[in-house]
Amino acid sequence: EVQLVESGGGLVKPGGSLRLSCAASGFTFSNAWMNWVRQAPGKGLEWVGRIKPKTDGGTTDYAAPVKGRFTISRDDSKNTVYLQMNSLKTEDTAVYYCTTVNAGRFDPWGQGTLVTVSS
Amino acid sequence: QSALTQPRSVSGSPGQSVTISCTGTSSDVGGYNYVSWYQQHPGKAPKLMIYDVSKRPSGVPDRFSGSKSGNTASLTISGLQAEDEADYYCCSYAGSPYVFGTGTKVTVL
Repeated sequence: EVQLVESGGGLVKPGGSLRLSCAASGFTFSNAWMNWVRQAPGKGLEWVGRIKPKTDGGTTDYAAPVKGRFTISRDDSKNTVYLQMNSLKTEDTAVYYCTTVNAGRFDPWGQGTLVTVSS
Repeated sequence: QSALTQPRSVSGSPGQSVTISCTGTSSDVGGYNYVSWYQQHPGKAPKLMIYDVSKRPSGVPDRFSGSKSGNTASLTISGLQAEDEADYYCCSYAGSPYVFGTGTKVTVL
């Protein structure tokens, strides 16, 4: 069964840092294009960023609101992708989902992990 | 990159059809055939319903169909059922690389 499980969410103060993890199983992780998508409370989905497989250069891309503050990395030996979030702002409060993308489709999705940025 | 525009809500009675529009630009919806649609029930993760404009993943009922004309994509739900009540989001590759729609709440009357 294909599965993605996020962890690491919690409460953090503005300006703080947090690292999210997403453990994958049931597919060849090293070949997967891994993405993070977030959803603020009561709001819509927002693409955050992605990391390509090492065979495609392992490069990353980010949405404008998080560029320079967030970093995506991967450990293929652990089938895990990470989202390092620094200089957090209140507007980063959201449920963060991990998902794979194949051409234009995001599937599957993890269950999400809630990040709350508040003083 | 601005979010794709969707109606805030649509509604229909059981058995009826509803259509959700998703309007973008020539830089996203109009420029690529990588439009996908996601269903999200409250408190749950999104679920892929349509990809590549009109393809259905296995397990998705054929009541769900997708299309595109110019810069606007559409999702049609035929034979509306109670379990179709949910939020729906479109998504398009945009070179930047992805943009989601604003979301539409489908209500089954």
